[in-house]
Amino acid sequence: GAGVSQTPSNKVTEKGKYVELRCDPISGHTALYWYRQSLGQGPEFLIYFQGTGAADDSGLPNDRFFAVRPEGSVSTLKIQRTERGDSAVYLCASRSGSTTEAFFGQGTRLTVV
Amino acid sequence: GENVEQHPSTLSVQEGDSAVIKCTYSDSASNYFPWYKQELGKGPQLIIDIRSNVGEKKDQRIAVTLNKTAKHFSLHITETQPEDSAVYFCAATDNFNKFYFGSGTKLNVKP
Repeated sequence: GAGVSQTPSNKVTEKGKYVELRCDPISGHTALYWYRQSLGQGPEFLIYFQGTGAADDSGLPNDRFFAVRPEGSVSTLKIQRTERGDSAVYLCASRSGSTTEAFFGQGTRLTVV
Repeated sequence: GENVEQHPSTLSVQEGDSAVIKCTYSDSASNYFPWYKQELGKGPQLIIDIRSNVGEKKDQRIAVTLNKTAKHFSLHITETQPEDSAVYFCAATDNFNKFYFGSGTKLNVKP
């Protein structure tokens, strides 16, 4: 596709459930980022992939959060035992290794009820 | 880690006027400073960026200035138009592994 695609656009889940959020980066982009954005706030870093490996996962808030990028393209953010405080917009971005610009997807709005 | 502060949180201007948004950062190692525009229901979109070896950069009606000594950078929008209304974020990074974002400025351009 032409841009970063995130699915689903919206996800409502019950407290305690497991969710997966998917990110399709721009083809050929080696760098991939996950951010979380709470209402009225700036994006907050979660994890950064360079290729298949997580180069920096220091932003993951706890061990309920995990992300993978097995083939260096699509990435999945996984959240176990969801809590109401996990409700936010989860943004994915990708960047070519040879440029500075990061392109963001439209985000997945996660609501935990 | 880096701390980026952004002001003001909201800004209302008349169409045709200029708008200025300011950010400060704490880590002197930061060397790349992008500005993003976010419209409702969309992801942030890069509008202009600046590297630490440059003091100013312009692109048509928008410009960014950087003062490394004072650790602050600003976004300037001239001849504002209603379509400039959005939330603007500044960010900083030193290695492109992670970007630290400000808290955002909601710009309202009144026709």
